[in-house]
Amino acid sequence: GQSLEQPSEVTAVEGAIVQINCTYQTSGFYGLSWYQQHDGGAPTFLSYNALDGLEETGRFSSFLSRSDSYGYLLLQELQMKDSASYFCQGGYSTLTFGKGTMLLVSP
Amino acid sequence: DAGVTQSPTHLIKTRGQQVTLRCSPKSGHDTVSWYQQALGQGPQFIFQYYEEEERQRGNFPDRFSGHQFPNYSSELNVNALLLGDSALYLCASSLGQGFDTQYFGPGTRLTVL
Repeated sequence: GQSLEQPSEVTAVEGAIVQINCTYQTSGFYGLSWYQQHDGGAPTFLSYNALDGLEETGRFSSFLSRSDSYGYLLLQELQMKDSASYFCQGGYSTLTFGKGTMLLVSP
Repeated sequence: DAGVTQSPTHLIKTRGQQVTLRCSPKSGHDTVSWYQQALGQGPQFIFQYYEEEERQRGNFPDRFSGHQFPNYSSELNVNALLLGDSALYLCASSLGQGFDTQYFGPGTRLTVL
C-alpha cells in the first residue's frame, strides 16, 4: 500500500526551530511534497523533493532521503502564524497525504 | 491571476440525495484533482482529471464520479449520499500530471443529514 507516517502534534516556542518528520512506503514512490493548512483553510504548497537532499525556501526547508524512506520539513525562526497543520504528500500512482502534524507555536 | 475557485462554499443534503460540486482551476493549469477531507484528517485522494479523462483514482466507490470540461474546469458528483460523505471537498489544480505543486481551492463543506 501507500502510506505516510508523521507525528500527530509538535509544540515549540517563537523563534525556535522545529522539524516534522515523515516516513513513507517506497513502492512506486517518486517524490515528497509538503503542505500547510490553517484551521478552516485550504492546503498551501510549501515544498517538493524529487531527489535526495535539502530544498530551501526562506524559513522553510525540506529534506528527502530515499535510502531511508524518510523526509522532513524544517521550520526556522518560528512565528505564531506558523501554528497550523502540516501534511506530507507522497507521489505514487495516486496522491497520498499523511494524517498531518499539528504545530502549536507558543510565545 | 485567479486562483482555484470552488462552488458552492457550503451545502446541506439528506441521505440518498445526489450532489454536484464545481471547480475552476488556476489560470494556465490543465489538471484537476479532487480530495475528501474529514475533520482532523489528511485529504484523501478521490481522482484526477487530465485532458478530460479520469487518469487516476483513489479508493472511493463508484458513487463518486467526475467530469472535466474543455476549459479544464471540473465537477465532482456524489450519488446516494451517506452520512459518512460529510466532509470538506477540496479541488487542486496543477500543470500536466506532475505531482510537485498543486494549488488548492477553498473547498466545499458538505453536510449530509
